[in-house]
Amino acid sequence: GESVGLHLPTLSVQEGDNSIINCAYSNSASDYFIWYKQESGKGPQFIIDIRSNMDKRQGQRVTVLLNKTVKHLSLQIAATQPGDSAVYFCAENPRGSGTYKYIFGTGTRLKVLA
Amino acid sequence: KAGVTQTPRYLIKTRGQQVTLSCSPISGHRSVSWYQQTPGQGLQFLFEYFSETQRNKGNFPGRFSGRQFSNSRSEMNVSTLELGDSALYLCASSLGDSAYEQYFGPGTRLTVT
Repeated sequence: GESVGLHLPTLSVQEGDNSIINCAYSNSASDYFIWYKQESGKGPQFIIDIRSNMDKRQGQRVTVLLNKTVKHLSLQIAATQPGDSAVYFCAENPRGSGTYKYIFGTGTRLKVLA
Repeated sequence: KAGVTQTPRYLIKTRGQQVTLSCSPISGHRSVSWYQQTPGQGLQFLFEYFSETQRNKGNFPGRFSGRQFSNSRSEMNVSTLELGDSALYLCASSLGDSAYEQYFGPGTRLTVT
């Protein structure tokens, strides 16, 4: 499949451990955030979202934390599995910029070690 | 429910030519957004269409254009192709109302030689 990013930061995690992927977003006016997972040869896949009126949101095996003070977003994956290996992107939607006009982060490559 | 489909999946064009890419959104979704993904620039927003109207636009030159049909299917066109237009072009569909969730297709890989 195509290379999403040649020089992406990489996080290597042992299978079964928890993973934490971080994202610094750019616009203090952003009020909606999404985490996406992109596997080689595929389009980004929606994982979880959070609005700016929340600090934390949990899904199945995933948790997103939002710290508006320092403009930081994190994605926690519990009990990481080989199928979690992919590139993970955060996306922000600045208030007033237009619905669906997202700004994407550069991405982090997650490698799960057996 | 079928996901977002994009055609063609792969395309090779020569500099100076034009190209048209197609996107069929998830049934019931009225908003279609287009993105360009390159290793150097990452994912960049091109434009978004809703009810056949361009609702949002990114910072791309006028060579990049799009349209949406009454059945919500969308096409994007790139004229006078440049080598730098080589990229993965992704489309994403959404309900188009206050729901912000966006679902991506597999993309069209465009190579300009």
